[in-house]
Amino acid sequence: EAGVVQSPRYKIIEKKQPVAFWCNPISGHNTLYWYRQNLGQGPELLIRYENEEAVDDSQLPKDRFSAERLKGVDSTLKIQPAELGDSAVYLCASSSPHSGANVLTFGAGSRLTVL
Amino acid sequence: GENVEQHPSTLSVQEGDSAVIKCTYSDSASNYFPWYKQELGKRPQLIIDIRSNVGEKKDQRIAVTLNKTAKHFSLHITETQPEDSAVYFCPHWLTGGGNKLTFGTGTQLKVEL
Repeated sequence: EAGVVQSPRYKIIEKKQPVAFWCNPISGHNTLYWYRQNLGQGPELLIRYENEEAVDDSQLPKDRFSAERLKGVDSTLKIQPAELGDSAVYLCASSSPHSGANVLTFGAGSRLTVL
Repeated sequence: GENVEQHPSTLSVQEGDSAVIKCTYSDSASNYFPWYKQELGKRPQLIIDIRSNVGEKKDQRIAVTLNKTAKHFSLHITETQPEDSAVYFCPHWLTGGGNKLTFGTGTQLKVEL
């Protein structure tokens, strides 16, 4: 099993540029999460999907962040335009009722640096 | 808001000693209590969890105990090793609000040689 796959692992951009992160969850996991983790902090939930539906996006800064999971499998998180404060690690996680709906498996993360 | 308080924020122990991290929660409806470990530069990983119908659970050198009356649960690591050095989180599983884990700032454990 490949686990949760994220890309890119690292991204350095200048402020005001766009950036996109991709996540492929564990096969069969219908719930997908995007978290943001700042240095020295715990992960902060941005958005949660149940299949293709975004069921909790209350913490997603909608003026510049967007996400999609069109076919209920892989997902993309986009930031446009990026700001200096967006520098963080963006973690994707997935879960399944079969393996435990409350057991999250995280990907390795995408580290974003905004200059 | 924060429904789980975790202490201490940093913990330093000598190799071979025991380490205990405690989390206190406020929601009496909470019924799931996980512990995640995050090594430097790595992803958070579930290391042990307990449900409200069980008072203690062990897995080799780690154990979790739950005190429902006092509303706290603790992570116990015995015979600590350098590879136990990491940040440990006790995220809150939001009941009645869908599948959602809310993380605090965690405990930085350092095992010194």
